[in-house]
Parts: sequence; C-alpha cells; structure tokens
Amino acid sequence: GAVVSQHPSRVICKSGTSVKIECRSLDFQATTMFWYRQFPKKSLMLMATSNEGSKATYEQGVEKDKFLINHASLTLSTLTVTSAHPEDSSFYICSASGWQWNSREFFGPGTRLTVL
Amino acid sequence: AQKITQTQPGMFVQEKEAVTLDCTYDTSDPSYGLFWYKQPSSGEMIFLIYQGSYDQQNATEGRYSLNFQKARKSANLVISASQLGDSAMYFCAMREENTDKLIFGTGTRLQVFP
Repeated sequence: GAVVSQHPSRVICKSGTSVKIECRSLDFQATTMFWYRQFPKKSLMLMATSNEGSKATYEQGVEKDKFLINHASLTLSTLTVTSAHPEDSSFYICSASGWQWNSREFFGPGTRLTVL
Repeated sequence: AQKITQTQPGMFVQEKEAVTLDCTYDTSDPSYGLFWYKQPSSGEMIFLIYQGSYDQQNATEGRYSLNFQKARKSANLVISASQLGDSAMYFCAMREENTDKLIFGTGTRLQVFP
C-alpha cells in the first residue's frame, strides 16, 4: 500500500492562534486529498475534499474561513485551523487517493489538536 | 437516513475464535465500494478489505473476509482466528460513485481476550 504522513502528530496551542497541519503522500501522486475530523469515541466526519490545483470542496456545516485547505502539489495538502478555539480540539485525519489506486484512500496517522 | 449502520457498539471474542462485525448500508447508486478499516488506540486508520458492488465473489484478505450480501445490503466483516492485537475500533465505510466520498459507520469496538 501507499504511505501518507501527517505533521505534527500532536499540537497544543493557545486560543486565538492558528495551527497548520500537513498531509503528505510519500510514494505516490495524490490527485485528491480528504480531511476528516474525529471526536472522542466517534466516527470520522468528512470536512472537505481537495483536488490538486483547485479550491477545496467543503462539507455542509464546515466553515471554509475557519478551516483553510490548500492542495498546492500532488504530494502535499495543508489544513490551517485559524483563530483556534477550545471547541476546535479534535483528532484530524487526512487521506489521499491517486488515479493508480482506483477509489482507495490511504490515511495519515492523524493529528491531535488541543486548544487551551 | 443513515448510509452506514453498525449496530454493535462493542464486541468481545476469545483469542483464536472467529468474530463477525455487522454492517448494513443504504444506497440507490448501482456502483459503490465497501471498506473496512481498523483503528487502534494510536488513531491511525488501517485499511483491511474492500468489496466492489459488482464483485461476484466475497473479498478475502488473510484472516479477514467480507460477507457481502447485496440484496440485503449487508457487508459484514469476519475475522478468523482472533488475536490479541485485533483489539481496536472497526469502521465500515462506503463510497458511492456519484458522490466519491467515503461515509463511515459509527464503529464497533472489538476486544479480544485470552
């Protein structure tokens, strides 16, 4: 299978600051990357879909100005949580898929964000 | 309506025994894919097995098999010869061709005991 990395794995920040999370496909070109959010003991909820070189498509209820997504290259997508608040604390997971993998997504290890 | 339903919040199984985790789905799209993922306490999502809606045979991957019953819209995961390391959350997911999004069920926590 393919490998997707996420950085950082864990971040603690103060309320009001912005946090950037990186998602990289290490050994394949990811034409599409997805960002999910997972609350404790809950399922994964899709936040947005990003295709390389175009604007992300956000799911209903997800604030695009709050969660900025950039997919600048075929191997990198970033999620920036702007003006973070304690309620933004969560586990954020990215996934990536490429044309060579058909519809299969490969997930990153996740980033645990804690906003104080 | 729920697209993916996992009715078992938790399951217990003894080591070396087989266990079935239930999953039913709801879609009107004739083309879709069904996935099972394992999420250990570390949080990573580990792909286990995939079944396409047009696949004639049930998918198998080592100790994992998918009991695909299309008419009943069920895609149960069978884990044979359970191991202690199988203890984790298990998520069933579906991707419909017309939406191209992965929709997850609520998960089942499996605990394997010696």
